[in-house]
Formats: sequence, C-alpha cells, structure tokens
Amino acid sequence: DVVMTQTPPSLSVAIGQSVSISCKSSQSLVYSDGKTYLHWLLQSSGRSPKRLIYQVSNLDSGVPDRFSGTGSQKDFTLKISRVEAKDLGVYYCAQTTHFPLTFGSGTKLEIK
Amino acid sequence: EVQLVESGEGLVQPGSSMKLSCVASGFTFSNYGMNWIRQAPKKGLEWIALIYYDSSSKYYADSVKGRFTISRDNSKNTLYLEMNSLRSEDTAMYYCAKSGLLAWGQGVMVTVSS
Repeated sequence: DVVMTQTPPSLSVAIGQSVSISCKSSQSLVYSDGKTYLHWLLQSSGRSPKRLIYQVSNLDSGVPDRFSGTGSQKDFTLKISRVEAKDLGVYYCAQTTHFPLTFGSGTKLEIK
Repeated sequence: EVQLVESGEGLVQPGSSMKLSCVASGFTFSNYGMNWIRQAPKKGLEWIALIYYDSSSKYYADSVKGRFTISRDNSKNTLYLEMNSLRSEDTAMYYCAKSGLLAWGQGVMVTVSS
C-alpha cells in the first residue's frame, strides 16, 4: 500500500498568516497516463470532507486562490495564504493513483 | 448540483449484517466509478471499496475483503454496500464518494456493539 506521510499533525496560525502542509508518498503517484492523482481535502468540524485541490495543483470550483498545491512524484505541499477563520478544520492529502486509495493522517488547522 | 445521500444507519451486534445505500443526483451516475470510505470515531479516512461505472470491476481494502460487497443499480442511481460478519472495528461513519473524491455524501453512522 502507498503510505501517505502528512506533516505537521497540527498547526495554530493567526488570521492573515500563511501555512504549508507537507504530504510525502512512499511511491511515485504518477499514473500510466502521465497524470498525478494527488488531492487535498478539508474536513470542517462535523462535516463531510470536501475536495479543494485535485491532481496536485488544480483548484476545485469555488475554492479561493489563497489555496495552492505544488509538488511532483512523491513530495507535495498545500499552501494556504492569508488564512481566514473559515479555513479551520482537518486537511487530508489523498492519492487515487494506486489501489488501495490511501489518505494522509490529517493536519488539524486551528486559528490562534 | 451533485448530491449523494446515504441511508442505512444503525446499531448492530457483532457478527450481523447490514446494507447501506447511497442515492446520487445532479450528475450522470452511470458514467462514474463510486467509492465507499469510512472514518472511525476521531480517526482518519479509510477507503474501503470502489466500483467501476459499469460494475465491471470492484476493488476492496484488505480490512473488508470477503466480508463487504459493493454494488450499484444504475437504473436507480444508487450505490450499495452490503456488510457481513460485522466487527466492532467496523464502527465508523460511512461515506459514499464520487470517483476522484470530488463529491461526498453526508455519511451514515454504523455502530457494531453488543
């Protein structure tokens, strides 16, 4: 199975600051079609997860451009610029390149 | 608007069976693979099963292989998860999710306890 190592496990940040979350996979996430199926999800308290970014760097509809994703092969980063209160929750990276699909362990973002 | 609505929530005893449903709307259900993903209380996300758009292939996590069966009825826009030989460690919120993880249902709670 592909292990997704996500760090840090938690972050406390002031409104307006920027944060980065790292996600490293135990295998390359490049699929045979050349695409990299690494996604970022946000689970707000008591809610279902919501996808924010797909295939490393593509923002889903309605996601503000304060969010950005970078990376390749086995090393990926989610950056949130100018953090707002509504950004709090648990962020997960997820890979859908290989079976079984696997998720990072989550990063809890708290607002100072 | 894409909507996924799960049903079948409940409390069951170890060793028993249960079937979850997920009704889809807002997209052409028969064109997309579908997943079941679960989350144990205060834990992370665990993918458990995927079915292709035409049911031609099904994949399972080792933790549920041989006990759970994913299926779908494209005429009813409905995804199913049949769960047998339930264990306490199957206690979790169960979500259906569209392929690519773009859309998720609200989740249903399955509690396995005596």
